[in-house]
Amino acid sequence: NAGVTQTPKFQVLKTGQSMTLQCAQDMNHEYMSWYRQDPGMGLRLIHYSVGAGITDQGEVPNGYNVSRSTTEDFPLRLLSAAPSQTSVYFCASSSLHEQYFGPGTRLTVT
Amino acid sequence: AQSVAQPEDQVNVAEGNPLTVKCTYSVSGNPYLFWYVQYPNRGLQFLLKYITGDNLVKGSYGFEAEFNKSQTSFHLKKPSALVSDSALYFCAVKGVTGGGNKLTFGTGTQLKVEL
Repeated sequence: NAGVTQTPKFQVLKTGQSMTLQCAQDMNHEYMSWYRQDPGMGLRLIHYSVGAGITDQGEVPNGYNVSRSTTEDFPLRLLSAAPSQTSVYFCASSSLHEQYFGPGTRLTVT
Repeated sequence: AQSVAQPEDQVNVAEGNPLTVKCTYSVSGNPYLFWYVQYPNRGLQFLLKYITGDNLVKGSYGFEAEFNKSQTSFHLKKPSALVSDSALYFCAVKGVTGGGNKLTFGTGTQLKVEL
């Protein structure tokens, strides 16, 4: 049981490039979410999904897209990276009352 | 809208002394409250939660937290701190009604336990 996995662990992008952050869980959770963590700002919700085919925006969705074709996978897409998207990104999946976090992806946009 | 405040950016404690990390919240209706810990270069780990029932909840690694509805607080405590407790601690809240599973996190408190 791997829990929540994220790839890659580190990524450097140039402004304007696109990329996809991968997230997978093997706990059969319906609810999954993406957060970004910035110093002094805690974790902010980017997008979330309550099940396959259903996604919604969180607190800071601009510049990010998501899709949920399976229960297991919830990728986050940056269409045109900007320096403001330099951050650490965490994926989480949730049972009724507890969220399980992945190890994070540290993204730098230059 | 729901929110969490962690008024201290950093808390310093000597090993063996009791520690408290403060958290206050705002939410419509009754809250579900959580504490998470983050060690350097790691994801968040669940420590404890308040759902209902006893106001004092016990969690992992000897931590506990007290839910105080009148003060809208959920402070994290430990009777005797260890150097290994040094980490970043996050309080989080979600409403019992509405909001689904959406958690709102505080900005975090860095705990430093020194010998």
